[in-house]
Amino acid sequence: EDQVTQSPEALRLQEGESSSLNCSYTVSGLRGLFWYRQDPGKGPEFLFTLYSAGEEKEKERLKATLTKKESFLHITAPKPEDSATYLCAGLSGNTPLVFGKGTRLSVIA
Amino acid sequence: EAGVTQFPSHSVIEKGQTVTLRCDPISGHDNLYWYRRVMGKEIKFLLHFVKESKQDESGMPNNRFLAERTGGTYSTLKVQPAELEDSGVYFCASSQGWGQPYEQYFGPGTRLTVT
Repeated sequence: EDQVTQSPEALRLQEGESSSLNCSYTVSGLRGLFWYRQDPGKGPEFLFTLYSAGEEKEKERLKATLTKKESFLHITAPKPEDSATYLCAGLSGNTPLVFGKGTRLSVIA
Repeated sequence: EAGVTQFPSHSVIEKGQTVTLRCDPISGHDNLYWYRRVMGKEIKFLLHFVKESKQDESGMPNNRFLAERTGGTYSTLKVQPAELEDSGVYFCASSQGWGQPYEQYFGPGTRLTVT
């Protein structure tokens, strides 16, 4: 069964304190690994798609990387406005999008 | 360009009543998806339309849930009769046709509370 596991469940950082969020997956025939950001009361907002191991993508203070078993979302010098829940999801050829439970990030000024 | 929109944003109904949720996808997106997040759980897939056809409805919990997509445009999800365990946030997402990119763009969700 396809599965996506995110860690940690919650992360509290001081402003400027860099860290990484982990997403481990067991998705057969992975077609894409997605990262979303979700703010309270809103829908998931698309951040990145990674298609193959070794791929990296960057957007402002965020950088997503992918290996054959996991993906990392690196946050460099975070600001309070980066506080949100970050969701990881995997898409295979045979099953629909499978989400992890997310990591709740709080960045304290 | 307008994003995915959903209506209503919040619905409170009693057990046994009927509720219909609506989703308008991004214009030109053939693929439309419904998801649900129950409190404390991850977002889970319900079903997938390609244009007006149901491509995959493996995630639909039971036959109290009925989804339609009229003319390949907007979609409705009806719950009849609603049960307490149907409470949660229902998200709609849309994506372009086949092939990369596969990104799905989500709406703001409808929070359904069944009392």
